[in-house]
Amino acid sequence: GAVVSQHPSWVICKSGTSVKIECRSLDFQATTMFWYRQFPKQSLMLMATSNEGSKATYEQGVEKDKFLINHASLTLSTLTVTSAHPEDSSFYICSAREVTSGYNEQFFGPGTRLTVL
Amino acid sequence: GENVEQHPSTLSVQEGDSAVIKCTYSDSASNYFPWYKQELGKGPQLIIDIRSNVGEKKDQRIAVTLNKTAKHFSLHITETQPEDSAVYFCAASSPYKLSFGAGTTVTVRA
Repeated sequence: GAVVSQHPSWVICKSGTSVKIECRSLDFQATTMFWYRQFPKQSLMLMATSNEGSKATYEQGVEKDKFLINHASLTLSTLTVTSAHPEDSSFYICSAREVTSGYNEQFFGPGTRLTVL
Repeated sequence: GENVEQHPSTLSVQEGDSAVIKCTYSDSASNYFPWYKQELGKGPQLIIDIRSNVGEKKDQRIAVTLNKTAKHFSLHITETQPEDSAVYFCAASSPYKLSFGAGTTVTVRA
């Protein structure tokens, strides 16, 4: 149980284009999903927290107009990187938290490698 | 906010030996301490976790200890195998946010 998927697993795009990444909880309902960014040989950095049906909460320094997050259902959250630039190239990872857990138990997706040319 | 420090940054062990990774945290309100294993190009995989009302937890070759007074927790891997080679992250969590350590690259030498 507690499986989280991401799509696509990797994407290459041209500078200036937008890219959408999907995160799905496959076997549980997730009221809260999280988006992280990871640079090579570094730790995970939380970008934003999204709750189903409400606006995402962004961490300090993360541009909400650049990283659009939609959490339309209890099993799906999307991250859209708008007008992508080479500095947005990174490994993006989502996680999901089960509804019933009183603790912040997060299950992570396999990640999406974004390369902006 | 929460600050998690993790040591060592790299660890090389002989196959069959034990590996120990230590983390400290700053926020006494943190109540959940997971450990993740991340292989190259993949997302983090939860390997064990411990809640603040427990001092020790074991799952086969992996164990975690928590000292709330000292605000530190540790991961112990016994009888290491080559497939244990990966990056390990500790994390400390309030009910709403996970804060990660910087990671430990573990290499198990055959």
